[in-house]
Amino acid sequence: DAMVIQNPRYQVTQFGKPVTLSCSQTLNHNVMYWYQQKSSQAPKLLFHYYDKDFNNEADTPDNFQSRRPNTSFCFLDIRSPGLGDAAMYLCATSRETEAGGGETQYFGPGTRLLVL
Amino acid sequence: QKEVEQNSGPLSVPEGAIASLNCTYSDRGSQSFFWYRQYSGKSPELIMSIYSNGDKEDGRFTAQLNKASQYVSLLIRDSQPSDSATYLCAVKGDSSYKLIFGSGTRLLVRP
Repeated sequence: DAMVIQNPRYQVTQFGKPVTLSCSQTLNHNVMYWYQQKSSQAPKLLFHYYDKDFNNEADTPDNFQSRRPNTSFCFLDIRSPGLGDAAMYLCATSRETEAGGGETQYFGPGTRLLVL
Repeated sequence: QKEVEQNSGPLSVPEGAIASLNCTYSDRGSQSFFWYRQYSGKSPELIMSIYSNGDKEDGRFTAQLNKASQYVSLLIRDSQPSDSATYLCAVKGDSSYKLIFGSGTRLLVRP
């Protein structure tokens, strides 16, 4: 089945120790998104790739970076995690065109990050 | 600031009842509307999408859209305890492919 896969599902890191979360997809979608979700809150978009073009949200801290080496994979790097970065990190994908439209975003299972 | 508003709940209904979840949005140009279900500790799962005014039915779920009132709702018929989850309303504008999420409504279905 076509899907969005995230690894690891759970990640424990130490305060200030860099961490990388990964996302892969078999849907061949051209747009990949990274969201941060804290308890009882809506998912918050951090950034997304439209094909190879990186699009950062204005309020995303510099501590968060992303890489998309190819269509299938996308990585979220947190350079110096703080306690406030503990959250669920969600990867999503969609197929979009320049004309826009109502394409659905499909979410991976998420990675829960704990910062000690 | 484009916003999507939902009552946080919890909305508590007995098993077998109809659960009605509501969502309003501020961007009148919004064209695409989605309902996601999210179980505790899990990722959002698409339940319904709707693009035109009126009702759209899929099994026990009915999405209703009223663009004039900037209002979208989700009805769950014959509610089951397994429907207990947070339901996220998400909206796309006509000039963007990004989703704007509401904060979700927590639904509790009592056996």
